[in-house]
Amino acid sequence: QSALTQPASVSGSPGQSITISCTGTSSDVGGYNYVSWYQQHPGKAPKLMIYEVSNRPSGVSNRFSGSKSGNTASLTISGLQAEDEADYYCSSYTSSSTPGVFGGGTKLTVL
Amino acid sequence: EVQLVESGGGLVQPGGSLRLSCAASGFTFSSYWMSWVRQAPGKGLEWVANIKQDGSEKYYVDSVKGRFTISRDNAKNSLYLQMNSLRAEDTAVYYCASTYRSYSSSWEMGYWGQGTLVTVSS
Repeated sequence: QSALTQPASVSGSPGQSITISCTGTSSDVGGYNYVSWYQQHPGKAPKLMIYEVSNRPSGVSNRFSGSKSGNTASLTISGLQAEDEADYYCSSYTSSSTPGVFGGGTKLTVL
Repeated sequence: EVQLVESGGGLVQPGGSLRLSCAASGFTFSSYWMSWVRQAPGKGLEWVANIKQDGSEKYYVDSVKGRFTISRDNAKNSLYLQMNSLRAEDTAVYYCASTYRSYSSSWEMGYWGQGTLVTVSS
């Protein structure tokens, strides 16, 4: 199964907003509202930031929001902070008999 | 507090076998889908396998089908990954993860272990 498509890198200045896209197909992103987003700092385990397209787990800042249109999901981070600099991965449930699929990851740089 | 602690990683020769374990605590293990996710050095995340609460459903990424087996022991609050016929491309940090919500059908991974490194090399 193919990975979901994410931009390799995005950047923004403190206080700005950025959006990371995640493009799949009707068999994954477009077919289900089961898209999740993860933040990973170097040497650390991933952290769940968004689940089911737009839901935030307890403790995750409301600066993080998710949405979906067709086969593309998006993660928006508003009011960028230095601590947001990390790798971000999207994932989705998929209709194939596999455990699910990740995007290739996006490196966020806070300038 | 939810804790997931992986063990069993190490150096193994190509063609060899390894069994990873994940000890869970702080939540009702038997109520959660569990997954193994790996990350090759400098690469992205790859979902390797997952297993339903009662073990009745298991899914594998194509590249490990027929070589890896995921299992769980709810009485011991433990998750396992038996890895056979290992290849160099299986070299990665392997993470154990649970869904964020019990009986979740969306497979979001809310809790993660610290990972265990598997190196396949001669």
